[in-house]
Amino acid sequence: GQQVMQIPQYQHVQEGEDFTTYCNSSTTLSNIQWYKQRPGGHPVFLIQLVKSGEVKKQKRLTFQFGEAKKNSSLHITATQTTDVGTYFCAGREMKTSYDKVIFGPGTSLSVIP
Amino acid sequence: ETGVTQTPRHLVMGMTNKKSLKCEQHLGHNAMYWYKQSAKKPLELMFVYSLEERVENNSVPSRFSPECPNSSHLFLHLHTLQPEDSALYLCASSQDRDLNEQFFGPGTRLTVL
Repeated sequence: GQQVMQIPQYQHVQEGEDFTTYCNSSTTLSNIQWYKQRPGGHPVFLIQLVKSGEVKKQKRLTFQFGEAKKNSSLHITATQTTDVGTYFCAGREMKTSYDKVIFGPGTSLSVIP
Repeated sequence: ETGVTQTPRHLVMGMTNKKSLKCEQHLGHNAMYWYKQSAKKPLELMFVYSLEERVENNSVPSRFSPECPNSSHLFLHLHTLQPEDSALYLCASSQDRDLNEQFFGPGTRLTVL
């Protein structure tokens, strides 16, 4: 069945450094979503990418969807302590009768002040 | 954030107990979801309801029984659970089942003794 992988599993950065997490699917996706979960919190939706090669920006966050619609990345420029949390990608696999969302295992980001 | 609420927030139960988790969404959404989040494992989709009809059941053991009496409420009935069922149970909702962001509740932290 479909698998969604994320690397790295953990990332520790100094405040002000950049951070990137990568998401890879074993199958072609109809869209991909990104969520952030703060420690002790619940996942919060960040963005959705639909088109092949799509790039979206939210302030210091840049999201990309691969040309083949099988991978995606989230890049944070100049991390801040408020960026701490686990970032999940969620890929929606297109099936014949319904779409199924598979979450990746997440990348846990720690920011050292 | 009060769009999706869950009760109780914490639950400790024995393996012979019967308990229920409750989720309520105040967003007018048509789809609701139950997820299980265990340590070091990806978010696992358990059940999906769309317009009060169960549309997906991801091979979840029968000791978990969902109920969706209307589009705003979702229950997860628990019976004779195992210690490995201890996890954070998250409820989410979305406008419709397809291509929409999901709004998560705060979760119920379940411990099975």
